[in-house]
Amino acid sequence: GQQLNQSPQSMFIQEGEDVSMNCTSSSIFNTWLWYKQDPGEGPVLLIALYKAGELTSNGRLTAQFGITRKDSFLNISASIPSDVGIYFCAGQSVEGTSYGKLTFGQGTILTVHP
Amino acid sequence: KAGVTQTPRYLIKTRGQQVTLSCSPISGHRSVSWYQQTPGQGLQFLFEYFSETQRNKGNFPGRFSGRQFSNSRSEMNVSTLELGDSALYLCASSSLASGANVLTFGAGSRLTVL
Repeated sequence: GQQLNQSPQSMFIQEGEDVSMNCTSSSIFNTWLWYKQDPGEGPVLLIALYKAGELTSNGRLTAQFGITRKDSFLNISASIPSDVGIYFCAGQSVEGTSYGKLTFGQGTILTVHP
Repeated sequence: KAGVTQTPRYLIKTRGQQVTLSCSPISGHRSVSWYQQTPGQGLQFLFEYFSETQRNKGNFPGRFSGRQFSNSRSEMNVSTLELGDSALYLCASSSLASGANVLTFGAGSRLTVL
């Protein structure tokens, strides 16, 4: 089946530093999504990417959909303590009219030291 | 606008029992997907329902089943529980009108099997 490799698995950074994480796939995806999950909660969508080469920003977050459609990265600039959490990439490939099936990466655990 | 509501939030069962989890999607959302989250396997797709029909299914045994009602609410059932079924079960809803791949997740139902 499809596999998503997300790296790094964990990051320990100082407040104010920039963060970068990425995902690669063995298969092509039509859509890349980035989610953040806080303890005891479900994942929350951060950024959605729909087109190869697309670069999208959401505040301090920037994500790109790789040109090969097999990879994506997420950057967080000037990290703050509330950025702590687990970040997941997710890819979606067209299967008929089914839009609800996402393939998730293993997650990146982000710790920010004040 | 209310988010995705999952009940119960926590439950404890013993091996061999069965469990039913409930999900109320965001009002107007007709697609409901279910995911299992475990430390070892991460987030894995269980199934997706749209207009009371199962539209896609992940690679899980037949003990895992689901259904969707006419008001889009969904339930999933796990029969003959095994220790390995202990997990966070997440429900997500989406509306084709808001972007086909934008899934909004609930907070999850944490199942512990003893």
